[in-house]
Amino acid sequence: GAGVSQSPSNKVTEKGKDVELRCDPISGHTALYWYRQSLGQGLEFLIYFQGNSAPDKSGLPSDRFSAERTGGSVSTLTIQRTQQEDSAVYLCASSLLGFNQPQHFGDGTRLSIL
Amino acid sequence: AQSVSQHNHHVILSEAASLELGCNYSYGGTVNLFWYVQYPGQHLQLLLKYFSGDPLVKGIKGFEAEFIKSKFSFNLRKPSVQWSDTAEYFCAVQSSGAGSYQLTFGKGTKLSVIP
Repeated sequence: GAGVSQSPSNKVTEKGKDVELRCDPISGHTALYWYRQSLGQGLEFLIYFQGNSAPDKSGLPSDRFSAERTGGSVSTLTIQRTQQEDSAVYLCASSLLGFNQPQHFGDGTRLSIL
Repeated sequence: AQSVSQHNHHVILSEAASLELGCNYSYGGTVNLFWYVQYPGQHLQLLLKYFSGDPLVKGIKGFEAEFIKSKFSFNLRKPSVQWSDTAEYFCAVQSSGAGSYQLTFGKGTKLSVIP
């Protein structure tokens, strides 16, 4: 079946530009997570959406980062005024709702800031 | 805050050798524990998980892990590795205290299996 889909797979942009990363979760999964995988930092949680509840933004590193989830499905992660330290692989995961539900990951978007 | 520690950054083994990757976590409450694997060029895949019950859990491809609550450990094992097991392995913890159930990952262990 279809897994978590992320686009683009690669994005190269200049410092200071805004970028948008997209995640299409597995159909029926109401929980959606964004993580970042970077050298030296490993995998870090960024933000979590659960159904119609307010998102948990506790992992966002700065106010340049924001995310939304429209219609309870597709999510967009936006990074404004990108900096070189934003270079990383951004991973999206989705799961059914609840504590005992494993998360399924997409292939990620590799973001490179020049 | 919870944290996860993976003891080995890079492990190199010959085929048929036995594998044990260490994972320790810090969190005093109820946790779910996971091992994920990332093969070269592929996405993270769930290898196995522990939620409750038998502390010895079996996953895909002959992997198993043992949860030892008193040691806050969840070590990954495989009796005989194959070249196709070359990948990066991540231990992760999910706590009941974190309302959003996000995963906290270790830094990962890169496994290289030599034919």
